[in-house]
Amino acid sequence: RKEVEQDPGPFNVPEGATVAFNCTYSNSASQSFFWYRQDCRKEPKLLMSVYSSGNEDGRFTAQLNRASQYISLLIRDSKLSDSATYLCVVNPRSQGNLIFGKGTKLSVKP
Amino acid sequence: DAGVTQSPTHLIKTRGQQVTLRCSPKSGHDTVSWYQQALGQGPQFIFQYYEEEERQRGNFPDRFSGHQFPNYSSELNVNALLLGDSALYLCASSSIGLAGLNNEQFFGPGTRLTVL
Repeated sequence: RKEVEQDPGPFNVPEGATVAFNCTYSNSASQSFFWYRQDCRKEPKLLMSVYSSGNEDGRFTAQLNRASQYISLLIRDSKLSDSATYLCVVNPRSQGNLIFGKGTKLSVKP
Repeated sequence: DAGVTQSPTHLIKTRGQQVTLRCSPKSGHDTVSWYQQALGQGPQFIFQYYEEEERQRGNFPDRFSGHQFPNYSSELNVNALLLGDSALYLCASSSIGLAGLNNEQFFGPGTRLTVL
């Protein structure tokens, strides 16, 4: 089983749609969780950290389910500018090595 | 406030050559991590430097080595380049908190290495 697994997509959605990404991780001892966004040929940029209580930042909501070892990201009212690859990231024991999924590609169409 | 910077932005080398990539962390950050991102893959952790020492290492051969300087900047060296080393090399900066735990990591724009 891969350490972090994501559906690669692509997810093609119209503007204004709500889209959800899920991610599973294998190491139950993992302590920190993140979603990064990566535009084509650019560096990953931190979108949000994911907390056990769930957290929201504008149109973005992240959830963590430790029992099932999955993380989700919900994007409401999609914008054209949301088109990117979304990377699910796990940091085991808050040490140096972020473990990335392969990413889920989102394409928002007019 | 300057973010993470990396140089060069692009590099073309031939098999067997050696390469050095450079990174300067964000102001206030003391820790530098290096990642390799092949096309269509997520970044893979190479190693992390803190207090001028390698703090943790991923599953990469000894051909990959690094260094951190007193001003927290860092270098990644790759010897005996292989075609498979072609990738985007990303540097991420962070700070080690009082508990010795890693905070959020912020990435530089990367160096795109092509090995011919």
